[in-house]
Amino acid sequence: QKEVEQDPGPLSVPEGAIVSLNCTYSNSAFQYFMWYRQYSRKGPELLMYTYSSGNKEDGRFTAQVDKSSKYISLFIRDSQPSDSATYLCAMSASEGTDKLIFGTGTRLQVFP
Amino acid sequence: GAVVSQHPSRVICKSGTSVKIECRSLDFQATTMFWYRQFPKKSLMLMATSNEGSKATYEQGVEKDKFLINHASLTLSTLTVTSAHPEDSSFYICSARTGTYGYTFGSGTRLTVV
Repeated sequence: QKEVEQDPGPLSVPEGAIVSLNCTYSNSAFQYFMWYRQYSRKGPELLMYTYSSGNKEDGRFTAQVDKSSKYISLFIRDSQPSDSATYLCAMSASEGTDKLIFGTGTRLQVFP
Repeated sequence: GAVVSQHPSRVICKSGTSVKIECRSLDFQATTMFWYRQFPKKSLMLMATSNEGSKATYEQGVEKDKFLINHASLTLSTLTVTSAHPEDSSFYICSARTGTYGYTFGSGTRLTVV
């Protein structure tokens, strides 16, 4: 079993839709959770990070962590064609452990 | 914000030759840099952790003699793919830790070995 599971998609939605992206994980020691966005042939850029369980909102993006279910989500409201990219979840056990474990990424396409 | 500059963005080389990829932290000092490899439709795979002034730490299964990492200064880390073969063709990305808990990634290098 992979440490982090993520549906690779692709996920195709119309502009304005609410998008839900998810990851599950098996290591209960993970406490730091991140979402990265990666455009084609570019490096990932950090979108959101959360510590432990709970929600975090930043503009159109909301990150949720449910440690009891080992499940994290990223919601994108009012999706735009410019949101079309691959979204990777990443997580780590502690701040002192620099190794991030990534999901495979979900490819999202928002069509006009 | 913190910027990691990675060059070249794309390189094509002949089988058997060596290729060097550079990553520079432009406006901050990066004590630690990370090198990843990414296959199409696959996750980022950590290859090694590079610490300034010391030997890199390689992940299990990564050939240290094939992928030479040098982190001679606080702003520059290099990855050299030695005696490259077609199976080394991939997307290589570096990242550096920035701030309290953040990682800034370079823009990646697409290596094609022919």
